[in-house]
Amino acid sequence: QVQLVESGGGVVQPGRSLRLSCAASGFSFRTYGMHWVRQAPGKGLEWLAVISYDGTYKSHADSVEGRFTISRDSSKNTIYLQMNSLRVEDTAMYYCAKDRLAFCGGDCFSDTMDVWGLGTTVTVSS
Amino acid sequence: QSVLTQPPSVSGAPGQRVTISCTGSSSNIGSGYDVHWFQHIPGTAPKLLIFVTTNRPSGVPDRFSGSKSGTSASLAITGLQAEDEGDYYCQSYDTSLSGRVFGGGTKLTVL
Repeated sequence: QVQLVESGGGVVQPGRSLRLSCAASGFSFRTYGMHWVRQAPGKGLEWLAVISYDGTYKSHADSVEGRFTISRDSSKNTIYLQMNSLRVEDTAMYYCAKDRLAFCGGDCFSDTMDVWGLGTTVTVSS
Repeated sequence: QSVLTQPPSVSGAPGQRVTISCTGSSSNIGSGYDVHWFQHIPGTAPKLLIFVTTNRPSGVPDRFSGSKSGTSASLAITGLQAEDEGDYYCQSYDTSLSGRVFGGGTKLTVL
């Protein structure tokens, strides 16, 4: 079955970096775009980033643009979220999610994600 | 402040019908971008309930339905069951932000 497993979360000091991973299985990873979404404590879902099925298109939310970078390694069926210059307000549960449609090259703006992982927790605190 | 506005909470008795609204603007729902709905029960992965405004993924009961008009969308749940308790989020695309956006979420309580 389709499965997404996030890892790499933990406790980190403000200003430091962290890299999250999301391992995918059960579907043709190379044909689907992938997303990162987070949920801060007591808050709602916040979309962070998307990467196309072939890695040629990436987009990041304004709130993390310039600090976070999404990437993928299709040889490992894994996507990553490199998080730099972390702030206290980045404390959240981080989820990865799969595009519903295959072969979205950045033009599937109107579509959505259909499978999510259980998330990994990031705490930014001194 | 979310770009898509949802009521913080709704409630209903078992068997009743509830609706959750999602109000956007001309830069998202009003521009024709589709609306999608997710159910999120704390401690579990968010689940896609409705995609492209009115469609249900395989396995989602037909008690769940979606609609859209103008700059707003709605999720209706009929025949409420205890297992429906959780948080519900609408999602769309916003041209001003150049990204996907979520509503602030609505907590559904089954009385």
